Amino acid sequence: EAQVTQNPRYLITVTGKKLTVTCSQNMNHEYMSWYRQDPGLGLRQIYYSMNVEVTDKGDVPEGYKVSRKEKRNFPLILESPSPNQTSLYFCASSGYEGPSYEQYFGPGTRLTVT
Amino acid sequence: QKEVEQDPGPLSVPEGAIVSLNCTYSNSAFQYFMWYRQYSRKGPELLMYTYSSGNKEDGRFTAQVDKSSKYISLFIRDSQPSDSATYLCAMRSYNTDKLIFGTGTRLQVFP
Repeated sequence: EAQVTQNPRYLITVTGKKLTVTCSQNMNHEYMSWYRQDPGLGLRQIYYSMNVEVTDKGDVPEGYKVSRKEKRNFPLILESPSPNQTSLYFCASSGYEGPSYEQYFGPGTRLTVT
Repeated sequence: QKEVEQDPGPLSVPEGAIVSLNCTYSNSAFQYFMWYRQYSRKGPELLMYTYSSGNKEDGRFTAQVDKSSKYISLFIRDSQPSDSATYLCAMRSYNTDKLIFGTGTRLQVFP
């Protein structure tokens, strides 16, 4: 079964305490991305990766770091979280199965920074 | 001006109606156009993926792209209460995975 897993699903933390949200996919997809979703602002891409060791900034990369050391994993790192990073975060993986494009999102991580 | 504009709704229709959801965009470099469905408290689900202009049909869903007008549409035929969700459009340019999303349209189909 195609699956994108994220952990943790819920996280409450304090300003400045480094945290990592993990993301893993089992489809052997080339591409992976991180998004945040905020009311009224929709889904905004933070970072994306088109291959191992290749990452690029999305629309809202400030305050976030990513790494892609393995094809299946794409962790999101907040070195010094701030309250404006309180949001719902989604990881996604995508790629081509023959001529067809497919994309799957994880279940989301609800982050609260106090 | 936002790169992608989408009416937030809500759009409320009776069961069996034809639903039309739309997005406009400003960046003529966009080549790939997607529609997603998102149920409450769930991740988005890719519904339709089209390249360049034209129509694509999948069951009750039809995606339409008009690049000359920078306008994309998703039509849902014979709408069902289970179609009640938020629908998001997204687009990207060639040879990148940088996606730009609309803010989503909330659809409610009542029995």
